[in-house]
Amino acid sequence: GESVGLHLPTLSVQEGDNSIINCAYSNSASDYFIWYKQESGKGPQFIIDIRSNMDKRQGQRVTVLLNKTVKHLSLQIAATQPGDSAVYFCAENWAGSYQLTFGKGTKLSVIP
Amino acid sequence: GAVVSQHPSWVICKSGTSVKIECRSLDFQATTMFWYRQFPKQSLMLMATSNEGSKATYEQGVEKDKFLINHASLTLSTLTVTSAHPEDSSFYICSAKPLGSLNSPLHFGNGTRLTVT
Repeated sequence: GESVGLHLPTLSVQEGDNSIINCAYSNSASDYFIWYKQESGKGPQFIIDIRSNMDKRQGQRVTVLLNKTVKHLSLQIAATQPGDSAVYFCAENWAGSYQLTFGKGTKLSVIP
Repeated sequence: GAVVSQHPSWVICKSGTSVKIECRSLDFQATTMFWYRQFPKQSLMLMATSNEGSKATYEQGVEKDKFLINHASLTLSTLTVTSAHPEDSSFYICSAKPLGSLNSPLHFGNGTRLTVT
């Protein structure tokens, strides 16, 4: 299930199940979105990105969905594995800016 | 490719001393690098944008005289935390944007854990 802690929402899933991590972004002018995975004590690692002219993009075991109407982004991980346990951040960028704005993050815990 | 190296990975210093953190793009050139700070169980907060050959741009609330940024080459940016205090203890992460790319993923270093005693 999903719970909201003091700072970081947590999602617990059983190994082998699919995971869905959600993100609400803030700027309607954002046109580029990225999902990052951050393991403990490490920097963010690129997972998948999507541009605003698309609503879905698939990678290996991951799918990103973009709903611009409600400014919502989701990351789906198929057949979740223990190695997927980490904190996942969405990030948004808008045209002409080099900066990324990060969402609050979701901690994914995979139960073996 | 697109590897960003950050050094040191962790540092402990005494209150009042200064600490320098290096961020290098190993296999690409970066005119722009970014410095983030991350407190436990929180998201990354942008501190400043480092531009090669010019002054850094600081985010609101970040003291430029305390967090000195130098971006002297296309592959190296440094962040110096001056007169560090315990409240500066945090995880500092840099990222770099490859030269000529606009909408492309930022590549991140593995962070520096700063502990000020």
